[in-house]
Amino acid sequence: NAGVTQTPKFQVLKTGQSMTLQCAQDMNHNSMYWYRQDPGMGLRLIYYSASEGTTDKGEVPNGYNVSRLNKREFSLRLESAAPSQTSVYFCASSEYGGHTEAFFGQGTRLTVV
Amino acid sequence: QKEVEQNSGPLSVPEGAIASLNCTYSDRGSQSFFWYRQYSGKSPELIMSIYSNGDKEDGRFTAQLNKASQYVSLLIRDSQPSDSATYLCAVYGQGAQKLVFGQGTRLTINP
Repeated sequence: NAGVTQTPKFQVLKTGQSMTLQCAQDMNHNSMYWYRQDPGMGLRLIYYSASEGTTDKGEVPNGYNVSRLNKREFSLRLESAAPSQTSVYFCASSEYGGHTEAFFGQGTRLTVV
Repeated sequence: QKEVEQNSGPLSVPEGAIASLNCTYSDRGSQSFFWYRQYSGKSPELIMSIYSNGDKEDGRFTAQLNKASQYVSLLIRDSQPSDSATYLCAVYGQGAQKLVFGQGTRLTINP
């Protein structure tokens, strides 16, 4: 059972380049989340999808877009990368909302130069 | 005011002692509360969940919730060096269906 799978694991971008981070879960979960983690900042919510067909902004959505492609997949897109977006990105899913445990992917370490 | 706040530490505790971690939250309608542990370079993993006022014990871990005061805490008894990690408090709100994390507390257990 793979759980939550994120790709890629590492990425280096030049300022202004675009890229999409992919996330897929095989647990039939309804809710999916994208977080970024910077030193001393904990996990900050970028976007979330409470259920298939819905997406909402979290606390740091600027510079990002998301797509809930289907129940399994939730992608995060950086249209024009900036050095401030250098971070570790985590995708997570939970059965419904936050009432139950959230499971995390292995993370994507992104560096923007 | 951040939605979920923790003392970022670092917190240093001798082996065998009790480690106490605290978290406060701003949404009075919050329903679900979690403690995650994160080792350096790894993903967060759930160690405790609590949904109602009072204490919940699981092995060496005890979670405490006080909704009136809007705080949740985690006690780790008989601390071991393997407990050295960052502990993240997470809260699920009633209105917006989102899981929000605090900034984490770095805990070091000294042998």
